[in-house]
Amino acid sequence: AQSVSQHNHHVILSEAASLELGCNYSYGGTVNLFWYVQYPGQHLQLLLKYFSGDPLVKGIKGFEAEFIKSKFSFNLRKPSVQWSDTAEYFCAVTPDRGSTLGRLYFGRGTQLTVWP
Amino acid sequence: DTEVTQTPKHLVMGMTNKKSLKCEQHMGHRAMYWYKQKAKKPPELMFVYSYEKLSINESVPSRFSPECPNSSLLNLHLHALQPEDSALYLCASSQEAGPNEKLFFGSGTQLSVL
Repeated sequence: AQSVSQHNHHVILSEAASLELGCNYSYGGTVNLFWYVQYPGQHLQLLLKYFSGDPLVKGIKGFEAEFIKSKFSFNLRKPSVQWSDTAEYFCAVTPDRGSTLGRLYFGRGTQLTVWP
Repeated sequence: DTEVTQTPKHLVMGMTNKKSLKCEQHMGHRAMYWYKQKAKKPPELMFVYSYEKLSINESVPSRFSPECPNSSLLNLHLHALQPEDSALYLCASSQEAGPNEKLFFGSGTQLSVL
């Protein structure tokens, strides 16, 4: 069965610290990878996505993620976090076999708290 | 307009009640989704509609009945729910229903079943 693992459930950082959130998936085929973010009181929104090509993808607000196929990983990074980055971060995966439909599977999320 | 609007925001219902959750988008998206999210858990896919037809049902109990009356609206009819069905119900939409699509999420309906 498809699964997405986010090992860090709660990360606490001070402003300007560097961030790396881990995401691993279990699927042997081609996958599409996403990071969604949910700011306090707001809805889920897309941060960045990877479909193919350059495995280092850049998203909004200075976030980037690197797809490492051999490690089945898609870790999210930011060199210097801000207080406004406090949010819940979800890694998500859709298998891509040329299907016309997509099932988006989410990890359990990582709560990031940034102290000013 | 890049919003997915869900109503109501909060709903409390008894196990014998019948209620409906509503979702609306005006982005011209042809795929709409229902997700269920329990506290401290990831969102779990329930249903996918593509071009107003039910495409995916993730083995959801029949006490949840989705309906897509037109391309902008998605309903979730609730009947004879159990307390364990209490959760945040999220609606989402995307341009199409493919695996590459970006989903736009609503803020959800927080449902409590007593």
